[in-house]
Amino acid sequence: QQQVKQSPQSLIVQKGGISIINCAYENTAFDYFPWYQQFPGKGPALLIAIRPDVSEKKEGRFTISFNKSAKQFSLHIMDSQPGDSATYFCAGQTSGSRLTFGEGTQLTVNP
Amino acid sequence: GAVVSQHPSWVICKSGTSVKIECRSLDFQATTMFWYRQFPKQSLMLMATSNEGSKATYEQGVEKDKFLINHASLTLSTLTVTSAHPEDSSFYICSARPGTGSFGYTFGSGTRLTVV
Repeated sequence: QQQVKQSPQSLIVQKGGISIINCAYENTAFDYFPWYQQFPGKGPALLIAIRPDVSEKKEGRFTISFNKSAKQFSLHIMDSQPGDSATYFCAGQTSGSRLTFGEGTQLTVNP
Repeated sequence: GAVVSQHPSWVICKSGTSVKIECRSLDFQATTMFWYRQFPKQSLMLMATSNEGSKATYEQGVEKDKFLINHASLTLSTLTVTSAHPEDSSFYICSARPGTGSFGYTFGSGTRLTVV
């Protein structure tokens, strides 16, 4: 019930392309869905997050699409840049509780 | 923004020795901090929840006598890996949530532990 499934495990995109990472969750009590970006040797940093009462949230080149009925959400990175190359983790969270992370997606953006 | 500082960023120690990792919330008070472990190309695995002024709560399978956690103040939690062995080599990361009204967690920069 606590799992968050993330795909793909790795993704290679050309500069300027769109990167799409998908996640599915089981716990319907989750009420906050953040995405974290992690560079090698660093801790994760919050990138963007969404609440389940919203179907989409956009911040610059990053967009979260959320489908509550399907229990799925995705991260879209528009105009992907080499500097976006990192590992991305989706997560689910209930109020005041700890995070449940997905398995992670290693994104490589080729110049 | 909320900052969590972790020290050291990397450490090498000999087998059988102990090593302490510090996690500080710089601009907010954290009654709860979290300690994670991350192996290469894997997700973060929660090890324990550190509670200020009380005992830490450990996840199933985590040896509490090996991974000692102390949360003596509202801004500092420490993780001590006791009698370290090569299999304890990993990336350790702490996190905290700034304020009860905030959902987002802030992570430290991590500590790379290598046991030789």
